[in-house]
Amino acid sequence: ILNVEQSPQSLHVQEGDSTNFTCSFPSSNFYALHWYRWETAKSPEALFVMTLNGDEKKKGRISATLNTKEGYSYLYIKGSQPEDSATYLCALNYGGSQGNLIFGKGTKLSVKP
Amino acid sequence: DAMVIQNPRYQVTQFGKPVTLSCSQTLNHNVMYWYQQKSSQAPKLLFHYYDKDFNNEADTPDNFQSRRPNTSFCFLDIRSPGLGDAAMYLCATSRDSRGSDGYTFGSGTRLTVV
Repeated sequence: ILNVEQSPQSLHVQEGDSTNFTCSFPSSNFYALHWYRWETAKSPEALFVMTLNGDEKKKGRISATLNTKEGYSYLYIKGSQPEDSATYLCALNYGGSQGNLIFGKGTKLSVKP
Repeated sequence: DAMVIQNPRYQVTQFGKPVTLSCSQTLNHNVMYWYQQKSSQAPKLLFHYYDKDFNNEADTPDNFQSRRPNTSFCFLDIRSPGLGDAAMYLCATSRDSRGSDGYTFGSGTRLTVV
């Protein structure tokens, strides 16, 4: 059974702090890793799709890295803002014949002004 | 804007009373998915349609059914909701079966069973 783990489960930081979360996954049968930001009452918003070992992607103050050999990805937020408060989900697409996503439980980030 | 729309946002149903959740998309994507997320759990795939081809996950209870009458719409039917079916239900789409272009999600329907 494929399992995706995220840590920490929740995180409380002050505005301006930088923070990072971890997503770990089985390194076999890897096709792609997705990061989503999910704000309350909104749709999960795609942040990154990462496919290659060593990938680094950046979107504003948010960046992510990928290590497919050891099976982990880091998401970094530089200078957290209150609007960054959300649940951050990672999901593994293991490349089966159908592109089903295996999700982690998410990291819930709260940024205090 | 092209999007995935779920209705209603909140649904309250009685124990044992059939309920239907709806999802529509304007992306013309081939694949539509239904995920269930219970409190503090990871979203879990229930089933998906590739066009009209229905694919059920092995551990999805028989109580859950789905219909896709056309490309744009997909419904989740819960025949006899139990208290354990209270959850957030997310609909998603992808252009192809491998999610090559990524996935687009609706904002979910939160189901309460009373």
